[in-house]
Amino acid sequence: AQSVAQPEDQVNVAEGNPLTVKCTYSVSGNPYLFWYVQYPNRGLQFLLKYITGDNLVKGSYGFEAEFNKSQTSFHLKKPSALVSDSALYFCAVRDAGRGSGYSTLTFGKGTMLLVSP
Amino acid sequence: NAGVTQTPKFRVLKTGQSMTLLCAQDMNHEYMYWYRQDPGMGLRLIHYSVGEGTTAKGEVPDGYNVSRLKKQNFLLGLESAAPSQTSVYFCASSRYGLTTDTQYFGPGTRLTVL
Repeated sequence: AQSVAQPEDQVNVAEGNPLTVKCTYSVSGNPYLFWYVQYPNRGLQFLLKYITGDNLVKGSYGFEAEFNKSQTSFHLKKPSALVSDSALYFCAVRDAGRGSGYSTLTFGKGTMLLVSP
Repeated sequence: NAGVTQTPKFRVLKTGQSMTLLCAQDMNHEYMYWYRQDPGMGLRLIHYSVGEGTTAKGEVPDGYNVSRLKKQNFLLGLESAAPSQTSVYFCASSRYGLTTDTQYFGPGTRLTVL
């Protein structure tokens, strides 16, 4: 079974500092990895995804994520945090190695990012 | 282009009551999904649909039914609501069900069952 772990319930960072939100995964085959963001009282918005190729993926709003196969990680990063980045961030994984049938998207529990002025 | 919309935004039910949540998408997507979000548990898939007239069970289907009579709509029904179904419900859609596809989410419905 596939799974995602987000080890931090909350990450605090000062505006202007770099931020990292951690994600590790477990799949039987090759992973397809996603990051979503949820602002208060809103639905999830897609940020970026890793399918194949370059291990550094660039996404919306200046976010990027680094895929590390040996560490089974897909950490979300941003060089300079903004107060408006404060939100709930979800990592999700799909197993690319499944045969026939639908492959569900498994979400982590989410990490709350708080950026202070 | 409204994307994915959900009706209603909020609802309070008494135990045993029934209700239907409506999801609509205007992106001509084939796949649609219903998730529930509970604190500390992320999103869990309830049911999904791979096309008009089809539905399938997800991770937590018990107590829910769904229908996809039209391609753009996906309905989630609770026949006899229970307090354990208090949650925030999200609908999502994707163009196809490919493992690389991005899912697009609606704004959510906050349901409280007393």
